[in-house]
Amino acid sequence: NAGVTQTPKFRILKIGQSMTLQCTQDMNHNYMYWYRQDPGMGLKLIYYSVGAGITDKGEVPNGYNVSRSTTEDFPLRLELAAPSQTSVYFCASSYWVMGTGELFFGEGSRLTVL
Amino acid sequence: RKEVEQDPGPFNVPEGATVAFNCTYSNSASQSFFWYRQDCRKEPKLLMSVYSSGNEDGRFTAQLNRASQYISLLIRDSKLSDSATYLCVVNGDKLIFGTGTRLQVFP
Repeated sequence: NAGVTQTPKFRILKIGQSMTLQCTQDMNHNYMYWYRQDPGMGLKLIYYSVGAGITDKGEVPNGYNVSRSTTEDFPLRLELAAPSQTSVYFCASSYWVMGTGELFFGEGSRLTVL
Repeated sequence: RKEVEQDPGPFNVPEGATVAFNCTYSNSASQSFFWYRQDCRKEPKLLMSVYSSGNEDGRFTAQLNRASQYISLLIRDSKLSDSATYLCVVNGDKLIFGTGTRLQVFP
């Protein structure tokens, strides 16, 4: 099993550009999440999904969008990139509802906006 | 007061030492507690869940003190491979990640 796979691992964007971070999991987990991690800060939840077709905002959703058309895939879209979106992004999935069991993370995507 | 607070460290300890980290949380209604390990430039991975009665996994012991609202992680007989950042994670009305405590084990 590959677990949670994210692409790309690294990306440099110019201000105003858009891009999609891809995330796929092969564990048949219903729950999927996008987090960002900034230096000296805890992981912050951007968006989450409790199943195909259902998504909801986390703590820091502004400037992002998600979709969940299948159980496996949960892409994160950045519209009009800003320097404040420079961060490391982690996709995660879980079998149990968030906070009650283990989160499985992808390897992360390092995004720089210049 | 921060929702979850950890000493950032670094804790520099020699191999074989015992080291302990604490993590305080502000929401007294928090129900689930975890320790995750994060290696440099890698993703977090679950180290252990923290149960009310405390739990042990090999050299690692986790404890919960609800009265004082903190959880702890004790590492005995430290190995070089224990060098990492340890994230405290608390679930109250939402899942909160601490900023982590960095541990550096030296030979």
